[in-house]
Amino acid sequence: DTGVSQNPRHKITKRGQNVTFRCDPISEHNRLYWYRQTLGQGPEFLTYFQNEAQLEKSRLLSDRFSAERPKGSFSTLEIQRTEQGDSAMYLCASSFVGGSTDTQYFGPGTRLTVL
Amino acid sequence: KQEVTQIPAALSVPEGENLVLNCSFTDSAIYNLQWFRQDPGKGLTSLLLIQSSQREQTSGRLNASLDKSSGRSTLYIAASQPGDSATYLCAVRAARGSTLGRLYFGRGTQLTVWP
Repeated sequence: DTGVSQNPRHKITKRGQNVTFRCDPISEHNRLYWYRQTLGQGPEFLTYFQNEAQLEKSRLLSDRFSAERPKGSFSTLEIQRTEQGDSAMYLCASSFVGGSTDTQYFGPGTRLTVL
Repeated sequence: KQEVTQIPAALSVPEGENLVLNCSFTDSAIYNLQWFRQDPGKGLTSLLLIQSSQREQTSGRLNASLDKSSGRSTLYIAASQPGDSATYLCAVRAARGSTLGRLYFGRGTQLTVWP
């Protein structure tokens, strides 16, 4: 499968714990995006990388959130001291900038439940 | 800030009907517009991408149109089938400013096609 993959698919944690999600983009895609989606809403942008550089961060990305893409390949999203309001689907997408289109391809998501 | 609205929020139709989903956006300075499909608890599948210079795109039974000046797009589904049942999301990408990378999503239209 050459699509975007995300791990884990589901994560249940207790309030106050730290969690880390991983995203593997489509190979040769140079951009990687993180979005968050709560029930009944459309996805909301969190941050994106071009290669290893983090180019934009949403105000939704509080100090408890950090994202990295150390070698311009996979990315991790860490949430520290989780709160119940962090419960959501975390979606990763990738795209290739420089081609004729800039379609974002999404992974299956990681569903986080904070108890 | 770009606001994306989708109407209707939900739609239930019998199999075989042709239907139209609507999307409107507040800032006409967009780079492109993308339509996605999302099945319950799953990630997003890209259906069609329309560049700002284009008027429409077609893929099989799907046709998407874009009127950038009026801030509107429609997704036309011909001869609907039960397998088309899903949530359809519209997303726009900004053409300028500090938010070039992100997609702005509507809340989606939840479509049910019954046999």
